[in-house]
Amino acid sequence: SQQGEEDPQALSIQEGENATMNCSYKTSINNLQWYRQNSGRGLVHLILIRSNEREKHSGRLRVTLDTSKKSSSLLITASRAADTASYFCATFRIQGAQKLVFGQGTRLTINP
Amino acid sequence: KAGVTQTPRYLIKTRGQQVTLSCSPISGHRSVSWYQQTPGQGLQFLFEYFSETQRNKGNFPGRFSGRQFSNSRSEMNVSTLELGDSALYLCASSLGPLSTGNTIYFGEGSWLTVV
Repeated sequence: SQQGEEDPQALSIQEGENATMNCSYKTSINNLQWYRQNSGRGLVHLILIRSNEREKHSGRLRVTLDTSKKSSSLLITASRAADTASYFCATFRIQGAQKLVFGQGTRLTINP
Repeated sequence: KAGVTQTPRYLIKTRGQQVTLSCSPISGHRSVSWYQQTPGQGLQFLFEYFSETQRNKGNFPGRFSGRQFSNSRSEMNVSTLELGDSALYLCASSLGPLSTGNTIYFGEGSWLTVV
C-alpha cells in the first residue's frame, strides 16, 4: 500500500470546531510535509516537520510527528469555512526508489 | 516573488497525440518535480530534475519524459496519449533536491483531458 496514508478519508465538522487528521507512513523519512488543496487547484504548503522534531505550530495549525509509530497528525483549531479543502501529507522516501510520496488525503468540510 | 507557473492551464488532446507541459519554478529554485493527480490513483510522483539532471523517477512508462533547462524551467512530455492520461499535472519547485528536505512549492497545475 502507498506510504503516507491519511485518515479519516473524509471529515465534516461545524465551524469553530477543531479538526484532526492523521497520516501514517512506512519507511524512514527526513521530514514530513502537510499540504492543502482546494478543489482542482494546486497544493498549498502548510507546514514541514523534520524527523528530529516532535511538534510544530503555525497559526491555527499544530502538527505532531511520532517517528516510532511512523505517524503524524494535523490539528486545525477554530475551523473556518475557508478551511474546507483536501489535506495531504507527503514524505520523501529515502530508502529504495527515492521519491516524494503522498497519502490519499483527507477531505475536510466545514459546515457554517 | 512569483510562484510556480504552469502552462497551459487547460488542454484537450486526442488519443495518440503528444503533449508538452511547461513549468517555471520560483526564482532561485533549482529543483523541479512533476506529479500526476487522478481521482483513482491520487497524487503520484513522476520525476524530479535538479541542475538539468533527472534525479529520480516514479513508476510511469517511458511515454512520460521531461527535461530541465539551464534557467531551471522544465517541460514534461507525454507521447502517444491514452485516455488514462487524463489528469491534473502538477509541477513543484524547491531550492535544493527533494532529498535535502526543502519546502516544496506547487503550481496551479495543468488539466489535461484526452478524448
